[in-house]
Amino acid sequence: QQQVKQSPQSLIVQKGGISIINCAYENTAFDYFPWYQQFPGKGPALLIAIRPDVSEKKEGRFTISFNKSAKQFSLHIMDSQPGDSATYFCAALTPYSGAGSYQLTFGKGTKLSVIP
Amino acid sequence: NAGVMQNPRHLVRRRGQEARLRCSPMKGHSHVYWYRQLPEEGLKFMVYLQKENIIDESGMPKERFSAEFPKEGPSILRIQQVVRGDSAAYFCASSPRDGSYEQYFGPGTRLTVT
Repeated sequence: QQQVKQSPQSLIVQKGGISIINCAYENTAFDYFPWYQQFPGKGPALLIAIRPDVSEKKEGRFTISFNKSAKQFSLHIMDSQPGDSATYFCAALTPYSGAGSYQLTFGKGTKLSVIP
Repeated sequence: NAGVMQNPRHLVRRRGQEARLRCSPMKGHSHVYWYRQLPEEGLKFMVYLQKENIIDESGMPKERFSAEFPKEGPSILRIQQVVRGDSAAYFCASSPRDGSYEQYFGPGTRLTVT
């Protein structure tokens, strides 16, 4: 059962354009929503994250929009650059009772290509 | 300030052999997670450990797989009698303390079973 659905699977954007990746979740117990960027052959790198009590968070060219009632969140990359070409994963953090740290549930990823 | 370290980066094993993957968390981090990534898929949680304790192994297959995080030394994910379906990238992540949300990933170990 996939608990975090991510779309689109792949995305091609012109340099300078806006890249938008969407995720939807089912489990209302999720408490933290990070985005990771992964280049081929590398590990995922934490990009930006949001808590459900905030509707938007911006860091540089990256913005997360969060809609708690719709159980959806999205990543916007403004002024997309060829160096942004990578696979992006959304994730959601499940509280684990009895301990203070949590496990991540990932979407299947979006392969972004930014063309000059 | 070194990040999460994993070794080996690439590992080739024949069917039936054992695979041993190592993870050293970031300095000051006492929580370790292991995830598996199949080609063209997202990462799947396997196990969460603190020093000398397995906290949650709900994502780990019941047979052939085991994990440990000893008091001294790296965390180890061990796969016995590997099969072709075990071929994947295995990532370790660490976080600093109870209640910390951020998880920082290592570069991964790519296991190929021939």
